[in-house]
Amino acid sequence: DTAVSQTPKYLVTQMGNDKSIKCEQNLGHDTMYWYKQDSKKFLKIMFSYNNKELIINETVPNRFSPKSPDKAHLNLHINSLELGDSAVYFCASSVTGGVERSTEAFFGQGTRLTVV
Amino acid sequence: LAKTTQPISMDSYEGQEVNITCSHNNIATNDYITWYQQFPSQGPRFIIQGYKTKVTNEVASLFIPADRKSSTLSLPRVSLSDTAVYYCLVGNQAGTALIFGKGTTLSVSS
Repeated sequence: DTAVSQTPKYLVTQMGNDKSIKCEQNLGHDTMYWYKQDSKKFLKIMFSYNNKELIINETVPNRFSPKSPDKAHLNLHINSLELGDSAVYFCASSVTGGVERSTEAFFGQGTRLTVV
Repeated sequence: LAKTTQPISMDSYEGQEVNITCSHNNIATNDYITWYQQFPSQGPRFIIQGYKTKVTNEVASLFIPADRKSSTLSLPRVSLSDTAVYYCLVGNQAGTALIFGKGTTLSVSS
C-alpha cells in the first residue's frame, strides 16, 4: 500500500501545453503539499492545503493551480508550461495539530517534469 | 521557522559512524528538531525527531544539547545504502509546510 502516490512518474511535454499531476494519500491526513525540486536539488514549498483550503502559496506563478476534490487528493495543474518549469514535483501529506505534535510528513515518489 | 545550517557534504566509509551536525541558533522554545533523508529519485523520508537530550530509533540517534542551538544526527555503522541527502528542520506546528534547507550530501564508499 503506497501512502502517498503521484501520477505520472515521468512527464515530457512541449512548451505552452497544459498538464496535470495527480496526488493521492491513503493516510487519513488532512494537510497536503506540493514541493518543487529543481536541478540544484533545492526543495521548495509551492502549496499547502488544509481541509480543502489553501493556506500557503509561496510566490508561485498563477500558471500553477492546486485542485483538491477531497481530503485525500491534491492535484497540480500547470498552464502554459515553460522550460523553467522542468523539475521534480513532490506531493506530501501530514496531520494537522497544535504545538508538539509530530511534524512528520510523507512524500510521494515524485513526478519528473521535462518541458521541451 | 528557524534557519538551519549544515555542512554541504560529508564522506565516509562503510562501517563507520557518521555524525552530521546542524546549527539552529534561533530555535524557539516550542520548536522540535526533525531530520529527513532523501535518496536520489525519491521523496524525503522522515528519520527522527526530538526536542531535547537524546532520541534513538532503529535507524539513527539524535543528540540535542541543553541549549538546543544545535543537534547531531548519528548514523551507526553506515553502509553504501546510506548515501543520501540529509535535511535538518526545526518547527513546532504540525500541518504547516516543512521548509527544507540545502541539506548534507553523505557519500559512503566501500
